[in-house]
Amino acid sequence: AQTVTQSQPEMSVQEAETVTLSCTYDTSENNYYLFWYKQPPSRQMILVIRQEAYKQQNATENRFSVNFQKAAKSFSLKISDSQLGDTAMYFCAFMRLNTGTASKLTFGTGTRLQVTL
Amino acid sequence: GAVVSQHPSRVICKSGTSVKIECRSLDFQATTMFWYRQFPKKSLMLMATSNEGSKATYEQGVEKDKFLINHASLTLSTLTVTSAHPEDSSFYICSASRVYEQYFGPGTRLTVT
Repeated sequence: AQTVTQSQPEMSVQEAETVTLSCTYDTSENNYYLFWYKQPPSRQMILVIRQEAYKQQNATENRFSVNFQKAAKSFSLKISDSQLGDTAMYFCAFMRLNTGTASKLTFGTGTRLQVTL
Repeated sequence: GAVVSQHPSRVICKSGTSVKIECRSLDFQATTMFWYRQFPKKSLMLMATSNEGSKATYEQGVEKDKFLINHASLTLSTLTVTSAHPEDSSFYICSASRVYEQYFGPGTRLTVT
């Protein structure tokens, strides 16, 4: 079974600053995806970024980037130039790749990020 | 693209009654949908995997007779909470799978009085 650990229940960052959210996972699988999802107060889950385990290059999406360390089973999210709209709950998630069938997500416990003026 | 809707967004029902929640993928076909439950300030807990045309697969500890799931078409899955009790009050979220991504509905807040 897979486990995902987010050790920071809450974090705060000032607007325009950079913040890093940590995530570690445990798996014996070799083929998997990792995700960061954002859940703002509306509670709509929004995909922030995805990383395929077979790719060595870290994924980036505009102000969001990850530091994927496969050997260490670490998958941190860096948010640059933080904006008030980044205030949300952030979930790290693991997906084992199945052949021919959809795969389920395993979520971490989440990190509540507050962006302040 | 990849829009998932849920209906209703909020529902209040009396204890002992049943309530149905719909999850629709609006612009793609989803052979697999997932149902999650989320308690306040907590993570998403997978309840079941819904496959079109076959029985749902429930996670350990989830009562399949209480949470009935039907996936009658490639764009619609329903979750029926039967004989609801106050402890069933929660936020229920569905997702629809396309390739290796899941697209989430906006959620349904269920309150059982």
